[in-house]
Amino acid sequence: QVQLQESGPGLVKPSETLSLTCHVAGYSISSSCFWAWIRQPPEKGLEWIGSVSHTGSAYYNPSVKSRSTISLDTSKNQFSLILSSVTAADTADYYCVRQKYSSGRVFEFDIWGQGTMVTVSP
Amino acid sequence: EIVLTQSPATLSVSPGERATLSCRASQSISSYLAWYQQKPGQAPRLLMCDASTRATGIPARFSGSGSGTEFTLTISSLQSEDFALYYCQQHNDWPLTFGGGTKVEIK
Repeated sequence: QVQLQESGPGLVKPSETLSLTCHVAGYSISSSCFWAWIRQPPEKGLEWIGSVSHTGSAYYNPSVKSRSTISLDTSKNQFSLILSSVTAADTADYYCVRQKYSSGRVFEFDIWGQGTMVTVSP
Repeated sequence: EIVLTQSPATLSVSPGERATLSCRASQSISSYLAWYQQKPGQAPRLLMCDASTRATGIPARFSGSGSGTEFTLTISSLQSEDFALYYCQQHNDWPLTFGGGTKVEIK
């Protein structure tokens, strides 16, 4: 059974850097999938932040591209999100997600972590 | 960026009735559309892949249809556990985008 678990600080100060990690159990992140971060501000919809391939190639939402880095750590079977210069608008539930991939194309987000709430506040 | 517009924003339905949710794309996305269900305090759950293929473990009362720019998620006979938020998402092109969601509530 594949499971994803987010970890990281629940509170970050404005202008600082948010750093989250997703540990993956039951599946190797080096296998043919993408790994993604998706967020959801309180009482709002879902926003894709970015996805990284099993080879390390990353794609980002233009809305956060200049501030975001998603990377893999295959030795620990985990991947991470770094979001710099945060503001109150970055307050959200952050989900790490597995994304299916085949024949050069990405597909749906099939397995989700439970999510972690991050608040940006002084 | 491909914009997905879901309608209605809220759908009031009685248990046992049919619910029909719509998702419209700003440009053609072939069948590269997924549907998710989200309940309060929970992560979203994958319902439908490739517009019309149920994900593992999803009951047969859920069905999806459409291609191009118009898509529909139908719940044939609403059960109590189906009252939730529903999102569509396209994976035809980067950036990946979600619709704004449809809340299915008890009438």
